[in-house]
Amino acid sequence: DTEVTQTPKHLVMGMTNKKSLKCEQHMGHRAMYWYKQKAKKPPELMFVYSYEKLSINESVPSRFSPECPNSSLLNLHLHALQPEDSALYLCASSYASRNEQFFGPGTRLTVL
Amino acid sequence: QKEVEQNSGPLSVPEGAIASLNCTYSDRVSQSFFWYRQYSGKSPELIMSIYSNGDKEDGRFTAQLNKASQYVSLLIRDSQPSDSATYLCAVNQNTGFQKLVFGTGTRLLVSP
Repeated sequence: DTEVTQTPKHLVMGMTNKKSLKCEQHMGHRAMYWYKQKAKKPPELMFVYSYEKLSINESVPSRFSPECPNSSLLNLHLHALQPEDSALYLCASSYASRNEQFFGPGTRLTVL
Repeated sequence: QKEVEQNSGPLSVPEGAIASLNCTYSDRVSQSFFWYRQYSGKSPELIMSIYSNGDKEDGRFTAQLNKASQYVSLLIRDSQPSDSATYLCAVNQNTGFQKLVFGTGTRLLVSP
């Protein structure tokens, strides 16, 4: 298995909803990442997990809450989002000792 | 000064020509450099990584790195319409963790 999977592909939520994004990889990678990408902009790093521990939080608002239950899974819990949080949310993974990051297909999030 | 700079384009080339995409970076201690291809509405796909000065070839793609000039480029030979996409240059930020800094991307258009 050489890919990163993300579910759901699309998500529409209201500002009072709670939802979660899921990411999974079975490549033995020990680093996993969440990025946010707005239209016509590059991906913007949100969080990095290395060996299941949060190692980077790029000053992301607390309405985004990451979780890494095991080395293959990464979740992003969403609560009380704002319309400006609408974006493509990308998960990526890499070997901990190397820098090549492989992206999943993303979740297109719309906040109403 | 932006950390990773790319010309936003669009760069227009005819089918069969060589497309040359350029990227400069500001962090002199960066060690790892990547090119990602991103089709509209899709996630970034890693196409090349380069770590040492010189050229690295993979099929129709050649990455070139010059650390003294802080410059990395991507050549696409025999360009095809299917190469039309945004190409993102990414540089590893030497923080001890696998943090990539992306350029804003160059949009490539290959006309038949």
